[in-house]
Amino acid sequence: NAGVTQTPKFQVLKTGQSMTLQCAQDMNHEYMSWYRQDPGMGLRLIHYSVGAGITDQGEVPNGYNVSRSTTEDFPLRLLSAAPSQTSVYFCASSYRSPEANYGYTFGSGTRLTVV
Amino acid sequence: AQRVTQPEKLLSVFKGAPVELKCNYSYSGSPELFWYVQYSRQRLQLLLRHISRESIKGFTADLNKGETSFHLKKPFAQEEDSAMYYCAGLSGGYNKLIFGAGTRLAVHP
Repeated sequence: NAGVTQTPKFQVLKTGQSMTLQCAQDMNHEYMSWYRQDPGMGLRLIHYSVGAGITDQGEVPNGYNVSRSTTEDFPLRLLSAAPSQTSVYFCASSYRSPEANYGYTFGSGTRLTVV
Repeated sequence: AQRVTQPEKLLSVFKGAPVELKCNYSYSGSPELFWYVQYSRQRLQLLLRHISRESIKGFTADLNKGETSFHLKKPFAQEEDSAMYYCAGLSGGYNKLIFGAGTRLAVHP
């Protein structure tokens, strides 16, 4: 049972490049989310999904796309990287409520630098 | 809008001193609140959830609906408690988890 797995762990991009951050979970969780973590701002929700084929925007969705074709995978795509997207990105998953009251499980994060 | 607020960016205490990390919430209906901890450069870990009223690593948190607070407390801080602490709440029927800005706890010897 690997939990939530994120790849890559580190990435450096040039402004304007695109890339996909991968997230996979093996716990059969319905809910999956992407967050970015910035100093002094905590974790901000980018996009989330309540099940395969269903996604919605969070607090800071601009510049990011997601899709959820399977229960296990929830990739995050940066369309045209900008320095403002330099951050640490966390993926998380959870059961549907009320089991979700046990909280979300987080991946180990991807540290992205855009130059 | 549903919101979780952590007013302190940094809390610095000496080993053995009591600790209280503040969290206030703005929610309609009954909130579902959590405390997460992040040790240096590690993933976030669930520390407490308000529905269970449990004590983890000596930490407790009580939901105070009158003051709309969910403060995290520990009677005697240890150096290994040094970490970032995040208060978070579930938002709406889709279980979106919304975080506060976090408080860094530094416990000095």
